[in-house]
Amino acid sequence: EDQVTQSPEALRLQEGESSSLNCSYTVSGLRGLFWYRQDPGKGPEFLFTLYSAGEEKEKERLKATLTKKESFLHITAPKPEDSATYLCAVGGGAQKLVFGQGTRLTINP
Amino acid sequence: DTEVTQTPKHLVMGMTNKKSLKCEQHMGHRAMYWYKQKAKKPPELMFVYSYEKLSINESVPSRFSPECPNSSLLNLHLHALQPEDSALYLCASSRGGGDNQPQHFGDGTRLSIL
Repeated sequence: EDQVTQSPEALRLQEGESSSLNCSYTVSGLRGLFWYRQDPGKGPEFLFTLYSAGEEKEKERLKATLTKKESFLHITAPKPEDSATYLCAVGGGAQKLVFGQGTRLTINP
Repeated sequence: DTEVTQTPKHLVMGMTNKKSLKCEQHMGHRAMYWYKQKAKKPPELMFVYSYEKLSINESVPSRFSPECPNSSLLNLHLHALQPEDSALYLCASSRGGGDNQPQHFGDGTRLSIL
């Protein structure tokens, strides 16, 4: 059974304090790993897709990386507006995405 | 602004009411999805439509009835819901029906069952 585990569950940072979120996955065959950002009361906003180990994607202060067992979402010099829940999901061949529980990120000014 | 539009944004209904949730996308996507999301939990898949045909039903109770009139529209018909059905209902779409493409979500309908 495909499984996705995100850590930490919650993270508080000061503005400008860089850190990383982890997404560990177990799938029979990875077809895609997806990162989303979700603000309260809104739907998940698509950020990145990663397909193979070694792949990296960047957008503003966010950088996503992928290995054969996990993905990291690196946040560099975050700002308060980066506060959100970050969701990781994988496609493992069952024609549907499996989501992790998410990491609630809070950036204090 | 998202490219997947859901209406209404909020809905309050009694357990004997019948209502419908609507979803529309104009990205030319051929797969559409319904998810249910409870507070502080990830989205939970309910139904998948691929090329206007129902391809996945995650053992959802029959009081939820999906409909895909065309490739741009997705409805979710609600009848005789229970208080535990109160949640955020999300619609999503993707280019194809596989799990190797990103899904794009609407902002959801906040449903409250009295």
